[in-house]
Amino acid sequence: QVQLVQSGAEVKKPGSSVKVSCKASGGTFSSYTISWVRQAPGQGLEWMGRIIPILGIANYAQKFQGRVTITADKSTSTAYMELSSLRSEDTAVYYCARDTAMVTGDYWGQGTLVTVSS
Amino acid sequence: QSALTQPASVSGSPGQSITISCTGTSSDVGGYNYVSWYQQHPGKAPKLMIYDVSNRPSGVSNRFSGSKSGNTASLTISGLQAEDEADYYCSSYTSSSIVVFGGGTKLTVL
Repeated sequence: QVQLVQSGAEVKKPGSSVKVSCKASGGTFSSYTISWVRQAPGQGLEWMGRIIPILGIANYAQKFQGRVTITADKSTSTAYMELSSLRSEDTAVYYCARDTAMVTGDYWGQGTLVTVSS
Repeated sequence: QSALTQPASVSGSPGQSITISCTGTSSDVGGYNYVSWYQQHPGKAPKLMIYDVSNRPSGVSNRFSGSKSGNTASLTISGLQAEDEADYYCSSYTSSSIVVFGGGTKLTVL
């Protein structure tokens, strides 16, 4: 049974960075990609980027280019999303999701609330 | 890349059918058969309901169906039930090799 377990909630100051982890189990980590999707309070889903763990190659939505870094550690089946230069508008629940072939999000993590506040 | 366009809300009575549209461009919805639909209940993670325009993952009720015509994809829910009340989102692969979501549709079961 596939499970994605994310790290806990974070409170950050404006201008700082946050790194959220997503540990996968129940599948072959290297045979799929991991996307990161965020959802601001009361808002819709927003795709941030994804990584192909077996290759270590990531691509990002233009909106987040230069501010987000997605990485993966094959040895621990864990993906990471780091967002820098945080501002209040980055307050959101951040989800990791498994992608299979061209299907985004056949399994999702439980979400991690990141609050940016001074 | 702009978000896909969905109606903000739809509603229907139990037992009825409803359809939610998702409009994009020839660079996303119209160009690829990689449209997915997700259901999200309050405070929960999204759940994949339809992938590749019209395929249902194992365990998803056959009351949910998907289709596409040109640049518009659609999700139809037949035999509405109270538990179908949720937010629904579409997504599509794009020519930029990224994914774009729709703005979401709130389904109310009257």
